[in-house]
Amino acid sequence: DVQLQESGPGLVKPSQSLSLTCTVTGYSITSDYAWNWIRQFPGNKLEWMGYISYSGSTSYNPSLKSRISITRDTSKNQFFLQLNSVTTEDTATYYCARAYYFDVWGAGTTVTVSS
Amino acid sequence: DIVMTQSQKFMSTSVGDRVSVTCKASQNVGTNVAWYQQKPGQSPKALIYSASYRYSGVPDRFTGSGSGTDFTLTISNVQSEDLAEYFCQQYNSYPLTFGAGTKLELK
Repeated sequence: DVQLQESGPGLVKPSQSLSLTCTVTGYSITSDYAWNWIRQFPGNKLEWMGYISYSGSTSYNPSLKSRISITRDTSKNQFFLQLNSVTTEDTATYYCARAYYFDVWGAGTTVTVSS
Repeated sequence: DIVMTQSQKFMSTSVGDRVSVTCKASQNVGTNVAWYQQKPGQSPKALIYSASYRYSGVPDRFTGSGSGTDFTLTISNVQSEDLAEYFCQQYNSYPLTFGAGTKLELK
């Protein structure tokens, strides 16, 4: 079975960068699909942030402008999220998920932005 | 951006009832709609893709329907484990967007 697992710091200071890792097991991220980051704010609103495809191309939500970067390490079957210049409004649970229709999700990791 | 509107934030139901959760897209998305179930403290679980196709392992009491702009998730013979929040999502165009969610509660 394919599984995704997010990891990273649970607390980030305002103006700093948020960096998360998604480790995929049971499927190669270079075989197929888009590999996404999604976040859920307090109150449960879901926001798609962006993806890196199996070929390495990326697509981002314009709402995040130039703050976001998604990269990967194919040797470790991992992909990464970097979100720059965070504010308290970036406090959320961050998920990684597979495909455009998010058929497999990680358990999520909660990130709080606070000084 | 395509706005997915779930007009009912809460719906009350009883075990054994049939309930329909609706979702309206701000423009035509064909059948490129998915539905998710989320219980407290858990990640969303995929139920339906392409508007009406159930994932393997999803009980057949969950049925998706619709095309264009209007979509429905129907749960027949509601069970206690179905009490959760349900989200629709369109993947017809970028950015991918979700509805605000509908919480299914017991009457």
